[in-house]
Amino acid sequence: SQQGEEDPQALSIQEGENATMNCSYKTSINNLQWYRQNSGRGLVHLILIRSNEREKHSGRLRVTLDTSKKSSSLLITASRAADTASYFCATDATTDKLIFGTGTRLQVFP
Amino acid sequence: GAVVSQHPSRVICKSGTSVKIECRSLDFQATTMFWYRQFPKQSLMLMATSNEGSKATYEQGVEKDKFLINHASLTLSTLTVTSAHPEDSSFYICSARRLGGDEAFFGQGTRLTVV
Repeated sequence: SQQGEEDPQALSIQEGENATMNCSYKTSINNLQWYRQNSGRGLVHLILIRSNEREKHSGRLRVTLDTSKKSSSLLITASRAADTASYFCATDATTDKLIFGTGTRLQVFP
Repeated sequence: GAVVSQHPSRVICKSGTSVKIECRSLDFQATTMFWYRQFPKQSLMLMATSNEGSKATYEQGVEKDKFLINHASLTLSTLTVTSAHPEDSSFYICSARRLGGDEAFFGQGTRLTVV
C-alpha cells in the first residue's frame, strides 16, 4: 500500500497542552500537507510544507519535515477543545494525487 | 477559499440500485478531480482520478464497472455506484485543485447506506 502511517492513532490531552502527531511516508514527495476532519465531514487544509523546507509555522501549528527519514510532524500548541478532530497527513508526489496517512484522532478535554 | 460542493450529503438506497454522487467546483475550473472512500474511523483511500473529457484512472483494486466516473465539464464530476450492495456502504469524498495549485479542496462528503 502507498499509504503513509501516522502515530499515535489516538491522542487525548487537556486544553492548553500541546499535541504532536507524526507521519511517515514511503515515496519521494513534492510536498506534504496536513488536513483536519471533523467527524463525518469533509477535510480542511491546514498547512503545506514543500520537500525543500524543514519547518513551517501557521498560527498555533508547527510542521516539520525530514525527507531523509521520510517523516513529518504536526504540533498544535495550546490546544483547545475545538481542536478535537482527526488529523491526516497527505503526500503529494509527482503523480498529482494526494495519498493520505492513517490519521490521528485527537481529543482535547476542556 | 475555493469551494467544492458535493451532493447528496446522505443517501440510503436498496441493494441492486444505482446511486449517483455529484462533485462540483464552484469558483474554479478543475480538469482533474479525485474520489476517495472512507470507512468509519479509517483514512481516505483514493479510488480514482477523474479527468475532464477522458476516462478516469482507477486505483488498483477498484472496480471501474462498479464505480462509474464521468467528468463531462470543467466543474462537475460524478461517481455512480452501480448495483449497490451493503458492502458499498461508506463515506465517499471528492476533491479538486485549482490548476497549478497544491492545496486540495474537499466536498462535504456523501454517506451512502445500502440496505
